[in-house]
Amino acid sequence: GQQLNQSPQSMFIQEGEDVSMNCTSSSIFNTWLWYKQDPGEGPVLLIALYKAGELTSNGRLTAQFGITRKDSFLNISASIPSDVGIYFCAGQRNYGGSQGNLIFGKGTKLSVKP
Amino acid sequence: NAGVTQTPKFRILKIGQSMTLQCTQDMNHNYMYWYRQDPGMGLKLIYYSVGAGITDKGEVPNGYNVSRSTTEDFPLRLELAAPSQTSVYFCASRKDSTDTQYFGPGTRLTVL
Repeated sequence: GQQLNQSPQSMFIQEGEDVSMNCTSSSIFNTWLWYKQDPGEGPVLLIALYKAGELTSNGRLTAQFGITRKDSFLNISASIPSDVGIYFCAGQRNYGGSQGNLIFGKGTKLSVKP
Repeated sequence: NAGVTQTPKFRILKIGQSMTLQCTQDMNHNYMYWYRQDPGMGLKLIYYSVGAGITDKGEVPNGYNVSRSTTEDFPLRLELAAPSQTSVYFCASRKDSTDTQYFGPGTRLTVL
């Protein structure tokens, strides 16, 4: 089945540093979503993007919907220890038989050095 | 408002046993989903439902069954558990008109 290419797979950063991760696909999506998963919990939605080129912020998080509709980026500024977790991108198509279903990336595991 | 709840939180099965993973949402969402998450992997869709009485296969449906007799409940059934079904299972739901899927806390299943 199709899966998004998410990178990096993991990263260690110093507290206060900025973080960037991205997701790419061979096909286009109508919506890009970014989720965060804490240990032992289900994913929680961080940011949803609905238009190509859209740039959306949620506190220290900023995400962009790529112009080609085949990629998306998530940036975290001034990281803090509670940013630790796994970040997933997900793409959604609003057409076809699986309308509304999400395709997930494999995740980026973020670890912060205190 | 509890959101999406899943039971049990943990379970160990022997090969060939059967069990039902429960999922309930109290948000009156029409769409419900079952995913599995293997270590180091993203979530893969097992089954989904667009409303009571309607279910459809996702990417990895083999070895599972679902039913949707009510809007609130979407149980996932494993008939003959296999080691390959060792995973963390997440249930999710969403409204018709929004893109946000709300996830439950997950069920960690081990098949030995």
